[in-house]
Amino acid sequence: SQTIHQWPATLVQPVGSPLSLECTVEGTSNPNLYWYRQAAGRGLQLLFYSVGIGQISSEVPQNLSASRPQDRQFILSSKKLLLSDSGFYLCAWGLALATDTQYFGPGTRLTVL
Amino acid sequence: RKEVEQDPGPFNVPEGATVAFNCTYSNSASQSFFWYRQDCRKEPKLLMSVYSSGNEDGRFTAQLNRASQYISLLIRDSKLSDSATYLCVVTEGAGSYQLTFGKGTKLSVIP
Repeated sequence: SQTIHQWPATLVQPVGSPLSLECTVEGTSNPNLYWYRQAAGRGLQLLFYSVGIGQISSEVPQNLSASRPQDRQFILSSKKLLLSDSGFYLCAWGLALATDTQYFGPGTRLTVL
Repeated sequence: RKEVEQDPGPFNVPEGATVAFNCTYSNSASQSFFWYRQDCRKEPKLLMSVYSSGNEDGRFTAQLNRASQYISLLIRDSKLSDSATYLCVVTEGAGSYQLTFGKGTKLSVIP
């Protein structure tokens, strides 16, 4: 069966510090991968998605970036965090041959102080 | 702008009650529809897909009205464990990799 891992689970970072969040998927090949952010009291916002190694599509302009160095690894990064980057970051995967259902990892709760 | 609108609630219902959530979506090209459940401070989890003919999974029934661009979720015989936020989700369109999420409806089932 497929599983998706994210780490760290929680993170407290100062403004201006760098960020690296990692997501890995097991039990499937060539998945579509997604990064979402959920700010307090708000809906899920799609940040990036990837349909293959090295292929990244960005949905919103921001100071975040994403990379997919391996088939089942997706990384979210920032060079300098802003207060507004605080939120619940969720990685999700979906079958490459189907464009609908997505399954979420446990998330990383980021607080920028 | 493509949007999914839900009543944020909260819906506070006693155990055993029947409760219904509604959702409207603006993108007429949306092809697939889902309800996800999100517990407090946890990730969303797929509850059920929504089909044009309507579908049922135990105590949960989902309905889709494409003409009105409206989706519903009915929960019968509510349990304490049903307390969560329910997210209405639609795809962007045919061949799209993107889902649009509603902000969710919060349900609290009270003993």
